[in-house]
Amino acid sequence: NAGVTQTPKFRILKIGQSMTLQCAQDMNHNYMYWYRQDPGMGLKLIYYSVGAGITDKGEVPNGYNVSRSTTEDFPLRLELAAPSQTSVYFCASSYDGRGLYEQYFGPGTRLTVT
Amino acid sequence: KQEVTQIPAALSVPEGENLVLNCSFTDSAIYNLQWFRQDPGKGLTSLLLIQSSQREQTSGRLNASLDKSSGRSTLYIAASQPGDSATYLCAVKVDALNFGKGTSLLVTP
Repeated sequence: NAGVTQTPKFRILKIGQSMTLQCAQDMNHNYMYWYRQDPGMGLKLIYYSVGAGITDKGEVPNGYNVSRSTTEDFPLRLELAAPSQTSVYFCASSYDGRGLYEQYFGPGTRLTVT
Repeated sequence: KQEVTQIPAALSVPEGENLVLNCSFTDSAIYNLQWFRQDPGKGLTSLLLIQSSQREQTSGRLNASLDKSSGRSTLYIAASQPGDSATYLCAVKVDALNFGKGTSLLVTP
């Protein structure tokens, strides 16, 4: 049971480039989330999904897109990368959306946009 | 909008001390409160989950309390060890998890 996995671990992008951050979970969780963590700040929710084919915006969705074609995978797409998107990105999953169960987090992707 | 505050921002204690980390939140309409540990350059590890109907949860040397009416939670760490050094994050669940900025803990030998 690998839990929540994320690739890549590190990435440097030039301004205007695009990339996809990969996230997968093997716990059969319906709910999946993408957060970003800036230095000295709390985590902010970017997008979330309540099941395959269903996604919704979080607090800071601008500049990002997501898709959820399977229960296991929840990729985050950055189009036209900007320096403001330099951050650490965490993917998480949970069994339910009401908080009866914990959220489990991946190890993160550290992204630098220069 | 739910605001989560953690005090202190940083804490240094000698090994063996008992310590308390504080978390406060502005809206008491929460589903649960979760405490996480984050090691440098790593992801978040869930420590304790307290449902809104519960008052406390315990796991080993950790005890977390929740007072929803006053918007407060505390994480008590007994007999601290150098391996407890990490950042501790508090998060309350409304529609999504709302995180505090964390308390950076250093336990010195």
